[in-house]
Amino acid sequence: GAVVSQHPSWVICKSGTSVKIECRSLDFQATTMFWYRQFPKQSLMLMATSNEGSKATYEQGVEKDKFLINHASLTLSTLTVTSAHPEDSSFYICSATGGAKGRIPYEQYFGPGTRLTVT
Amino acid sequence: TQLLEQSPQFLSIQEGENLTVYCNSSSVFSSLQWYRQEPGEGPVLLVTVVTGGEVKKLKRLTFQFGDARKDSSLHITAAQPGDTGLYLCAGGQGGKLIFGQGTELSVKP
Repeated sequence: GAVVSQHPSWVICKSGTSVKIECRSLDFQATTMFWYRQFPKQSLMLMATSNEGSKATYEQGVEKDKFLINHASLTLSTLTVTSAHPEDSSFYICSATGGAKGRIPYEQYFGPGTRLTVT
Repeated sequence: TQLLEQSPQFLSIQEGENLTVYCNSSSVFSSLQWYRQEPGEGPVLLVTVVTGGEVKKLKRLTFQFGDARKDSSLHITAAQPGDTGLYLCAGGQGGKLIFGQGTELSVKP
């Protein structure tokens, strides 16, 4: 239990285009999903927290108009990187929490990540 | 400001050696979680500790939560090459996880 998937696993796009990344909880309902960014050999940096049916809460320094987050259902959240630039190239990881059966409610389960390369 | 100091950041040891990774903070956490991450993949949850002084064992891994819930340690006994990876501690605070800087562990055969 507590499986989180991400799609796509990697994507290459041209500068100026937009890219959408999906995060799904496969076997539990995720009341809250989180989006992180990770640079090589570094720890995770929280970008935003999203609760189903409400607006995402962004961390300081994260542009909400550039990184659009939608949490339309209890099993799906999407991150759209708008007008992508090479500096947006990174590893994006989502996590979900929400009381998977038999699990502690606030434990976060992570997706496998999405490698974004902007050329 | 980094709220959770993780050390060491890099560790290279021989197979069979023991090691300890530390996470320290001046803040109190409601829980402390340890993750292991391999290159190109998402972090995998190893353990969650919630009670001050709690000790949990997972095969050769021993996790401890400090009495005041401000620090934690991960001890690996007889490390194996398969233990190689990035180990991350994360403290639960206000519904979010505060991550340490990570420990890059390399176990050489």
